[in-house]
Amino acid sequence: EAGVVQSPRYKIIEKKQPVAFWCNPISGHNTLYWYLQNLGQGPELLIRYENEEAVDDSQLPKDRFSAERLKGVDSTLKIQPAELGDSAVYLCASSLGAYNEQFFGPGTRLTVL
Amino acid sequence: GDSVTQMEGPVTLSEEAFLTINCTYTATGYPSLFWYVQYPGEGLQLLLKATKADDKGSNKGFEATYRKETTSFHLEKGSVQVSDSAVYFCALSDTGGSTLGRLYFGRGTQLTVWP
Repeated sequence: EAGVVQSPRYKIIEKKQPVAFWCNPISGHNTLYWYLQNLGQGPELLIRYENEEAVDDSQLPKDRFSAERLKGVDSTLKIQPAELGDSAVYLCASSLGAYNEQFFGPGTRLTVL
Repeated sequence: GDSVTQMEGPVTLSEEAFLTINCTYTATGYPSLFWYVQYPGEGLQLLLKATKADDKGSNKGFEATYRKETTSFHLEKGSVQVSDSAVYFCALSDTGGSTLGRLYFGRGTQLTVWP
């Protein structure tokens, strides 16, 4: 069974440019999460989806970050415009439900120059 | 709010040594507790978990006991191997409310085991 797929694995952009990350969860997983992991820190939740509905987005910086999960399957996280401080690893995870084990993808490492 | 405080690393051990990584937590309610491991170049993997006080989670020789009285969930292994070299994260999960399922992670502890 395929795990959580994320792309790209690495992205280097200049500040003020837009960037998007894609995540395909494990088949059948209704719950999808985006986490941000700064260097030397643990991941922090940005947003949680139950199917196509964002049910926990209180930590998403909505001035520049947006996310969507239109058909309740794959998801895209966007930053526009990117800032130097956005350099980090963006992790996607999925689970059968909010009470179930979360499975993490390998992450996308973003470098903003 | 909920948070996890984890022993800072890095931790360097010789093979077959005893490992302890300390983890304490602050939470309202009754969280579930987890240890995740991140091997080089790989995603986070669940190592073990405990869902209520006095539960012991175990996997691959690692153990941790949910201690409500000391708000702790320390990770232990009796004899580490070179293959255990990785970053270990302690985490807790809200079990209700709008933040259901949200994982709160510690900063991670880098473990290096030498042969």
